[in-house]
Amino acid sequence: QLQLQESGPGLVKPSETLSLTCTVSGGSISSSSYYWGWIRQPPGKGLEWIGSIYYSGSTYYNPSLKSRVTISVDTSKNQFSLKLSSVTAADTAVYYCARHVTTVTTDYWGQGTLVTVSS
Amino acid sequence: QSALTQPRSVSGSPGQSVTISCTGTSSDVGGYNYVSWYQQHPGKAPKLMIYDVSKRPSGVPDRFSGSKSGNTASLTISGLQAEDEADYYCCSYAGSYTGVVFGGGTKLTVL
Repeated sequence: QLQLQESGPGLVKPSETLSLTCTVSGGSISSSSYYWGWIRQPPGKGLEWIGSIYYSGSTYYNPSLKSRVTISVDTSKNQFSLKLSSVTAADTAVYYCARHVTTVTTDYWGQGTLVTVSS
Repeated sequence: QSALTQPRSVSGSPGQSVTISCTGTSSDVGGYNYVSWYQQHPGKAPKLMIYDVSKRPSGVPDRFSGSKSGNTASLTISGLQAEDEADYYCCSYAGSYTGVVFGGGTKLTVL
């Protein structure tokens, strides 16, 4: 059974960089059949797609976040990562890592991790 | 403000049917047959219920169905059950520049 697990700091200061890693178990991140991505959800609000990456390294970002986002993949560790720079309180959210069959079809999700931006 | 418009809430009694709409534009919902629906219970990760407008992943009851007409996609849940009470989000492909857009979510209450 495929499992995804987010890890990283739960508290980030304003203007700093948010960094999260997703560890994939029960399957290979190098599969050519899937994309891997990040989706976030501010407390009490809806879902927002952040971006996705293919195992080859091709990336696709939400244009509203593109200038601040970097998603990378480490196939040797079966992990992929998110970096979001210059964070503000508006970036406070539960961050989910996920597997996409297509960019729109997300069949596996991590449990989510709350990241709070505060000084 | 979300790119796709959903009603904030819908409700129905057990056994009844409800339909949740998801309105976009010709640049997203109307332009592609790539609409997905997700169910989210409080404190849990979303779960894929419908993909490619009307396809059901294995394990999703056939009480859940999806359709699309023009710029509006719909999720219909028939034979409502208590466990269907949750938030539902639609999601659409919106082209190579915009990527993926979500609706604002609809809270389904089973009376």
